[in-house]
Amino acid sequence: GAVVSQHPSWVICKSGTSVKIECRSLDFQATTMFWYRQFPKQSLMLMATSNEGSKATYEQGVEKDKFLINHASLTLSTLTVTSAHPEDSSFYICSAVGTSGGASTDTQYFGPGTRLTVL
Amino acid sequence: LAKTTQPISMDSYEGQEVNITCSHNNIATNDYITWYQQFPSQGPRFIIQGYKTKVTNEVASLFIPADRKSSTLSLPRVSLSDTAVYYCLVAPSGNTGKLIFGQGTTLQVKP
Repeated sequence: GAVVSQHPSWVICKSGTSVKIECRSLDFQATTMFWYRQFPKQSLMLMATSNEGSKATYEQGVEKDKFLINHASLTLSTLTVTSAHPEDSSFYICSAVGTSGGASTDTQYFGPGTRLTVL
Repeated sequence: LAKTTQPISMDSYEGQEVNITCSHNNIATNDYITWYQQFPSQGPRFIIQGYKTKVTNEVASLFIPADRKSSTLSLPRVSLSDTAVYYCLVAPSGNTGKLIFGQGTTLQVKP
């Protein structure tokens, strides 16, 4: 099946700094990528939808100026948490759908997640 | 997107069959039902997807009654490694669009 990777797998940063998380589709072209956030013992919460070459669409309550999403290529999307604070500490997960060999992917593939800890 | 309701938790023993039922009373005509599995500190993993009747793959079976207002994920002969959170999702065009995750069912398999 299709593979989605994330980098880094975990990151610790100081309050006030910015952190960038990468999401890559390794063997297919990701026309759409999604970003989720998951707090401990809670479900995944969709943050935004990103189509290649377009501005991301953010879910209600998600600050677009704080969570910058870039999807400049068909294999890479980035999420930048700007001026991170301890309450931004969470597990960030991306997913992707797209095409492989001309055929649409039949499911949404998730990355392994990135654990962000803000001190 | 249709809302789903699942039991918060379930316990089972190794070797048993586990059935997790999900209610989705407001499912739309073009909605598909998809189940994901998630281990701690990992991204969700696709298990199975269906539209109606029964779907089976090498991992699980999905039973969907005629009215499609519920579905049951069946895991045959579970092992300790099946301990995870299982999410039932309902979305149009399968699961290639926006997904809204519910609370999921935490399955604990005991020896």
